[in-house]
Amino acid sequence: EPEVTQTPSHQVTQMGQEVILRCVPISNHLYFYWYRQILGQKVEFLVSFYNNEISEKSEIFDDQFSVERPDGSNFTLKIRSTKLEDSAMYFCASSEASGKYFGPGTRLTVT
Amino acid sequence: TQLLEQSPQFLSIQEGENLTVYCNSSSVFSSLQWYRQEPGEGPVLLVTVVTGGEVKKLKRLTFQFGDARKDSSLHITAAQPGDTGLYLCAGVEGYGGSQGNLIFGKGTKLSVKP
Repeated sequence: EPEVTQTPSHQVTQMGQEVILRCVPISNHLYFYWYRQILGQKVEFLVSFYNNEISEKSEIFDDQFSVERPDGSNFTLKIRSTKLEDSAMYFCASSEASGKYFGPGTRLTVT
Repeated sequence: TQLLEQSPQFLSIQEGENLTVYCNSSSVFSSLQWYRQEPGEGPVLLVTVVTGGEVKKLKRLTFQFGDARKDSSLHITAAQPGDTGLYLCAGVEGYGGSQGNLIFGKGTKLSVKP
């Protein structure tokens, strides 16, 4: 069964460093998303992407964040200058018609 | 801001018991989805309900969407230890069908003891 994959599974970085989280959505899906989940809290929407552009973003998705689909398969989330409060699980998701399929997540730890 | 409240937050029951998890909001959603999340993994979609009053069954799981599309419930019959996990409801914002962004509840952590 097709699935969303994410790399790395765990990323440790120092405050102020840039990180790029990578996702490979399901191949025939057209809608892509990033969500995050701070430990013990709700899963929160960050951004949605369709037709090679951002379709919607939340208040969390400020100028430090950017997304890109550099080729036909990858979907990346970049955080330019990480803060301690960016530590969370970051989930990529993709969808076609019904429901969203989530990847296993990248655990980002900012020290 | 749309919010989804789930209850109970924690539920510990014996194998064979029935249970119901509730998801409530003051807002109307175009559709509502239920997910199950295991520790360290992403949410896995169980069902999408779209029409007010809709009932969907998935083996021993029964999902209902409220008539006003503001609330939903998940009922599990004869719970088994394999049902243990975190159950999340998520409302779909806007009118984009299932493509809208998801507003998640905090989840119900279910533990089924053998």
